[in-house]
Amino acid sequence: EAQVTQNPRYLITVTGKKLTVTCSQNMNHEYMSWYRQDPGLGLRQIYYSMNVEVTDKGDVPEGYKVSRKEKRNFPLILESPSPNQTSLYFCASSPGYEQYFGPGTRLTVT
Amino acid sequence: GQSLEQPSEVTAVEGAIVQINCTYQTSGFYGLSWYQQHDGGAPTFLSYNALDGLEETGRFSSFLSRSDSYGYLLLQELQMKDSASYFCAAGAGSYQLTFGKGTKLSVIP
Repeated sequence: EAQVTQNPRYLITVTGKKLTVTCSQNMNHEYMSWYRQDPGLGLRQIYYSMNVEVTDKGDVPEGYKVSRKEKRNFPLILESPSPNQTSLYFCASSPGYEQYFGPGTRLTVT
Repeated sequence: GQSLEQPSEVTAVEGAIVQINCTYQTSGFYGLSWYQQHDGGAPTFLSYNALDGLEETGRFSSFLSRSDSYGYLLLQELQMKDSASYFCAAGAGSYQLTFGKGTKLSVIP
């Protein structure tokens, strides 16, 4: 089944404790992206990647890192999470203009 | 950068037609996309307009006017399952994507 998977789905952590949210797609898409969704703000792009080893900042990159060492994987790294990073995170992949979203990761930073 | 405006809420009756508008301001524009998101779910792709005009996919249609920086999503024969949030999105480049804040559609009997 063609899909985008994210892990974990739910995470509660404390301020400053480094964490990684994994994202993997099995559709051989070149393009992948990370978004955060907050009430009343819609989806905001954090980082995107156009291919292996090619990444660029979206609208809200501060406090996040990404890497794209393999085509199928695009992990999101929070080196020192803060409470304002509490949010719902979506990974997406795309062959062009149509984005396929993962199920989401709900992150709470206390 | 990109800025997209859409109404925050719309209510419509089952079986009716509803139009959700989206206006955008952009320094670069490739096309306008629409996504649907049910509560607790992930966004799913509905349509994409790169050129002016109407694109139809079943009960859903999407329209774009580049000269007016305006587009809309038209939902016909509304069903209860259409109750969801709808987002327009525009790309500054081929992949840099900005979403509107979303329109919550409530379909009532």
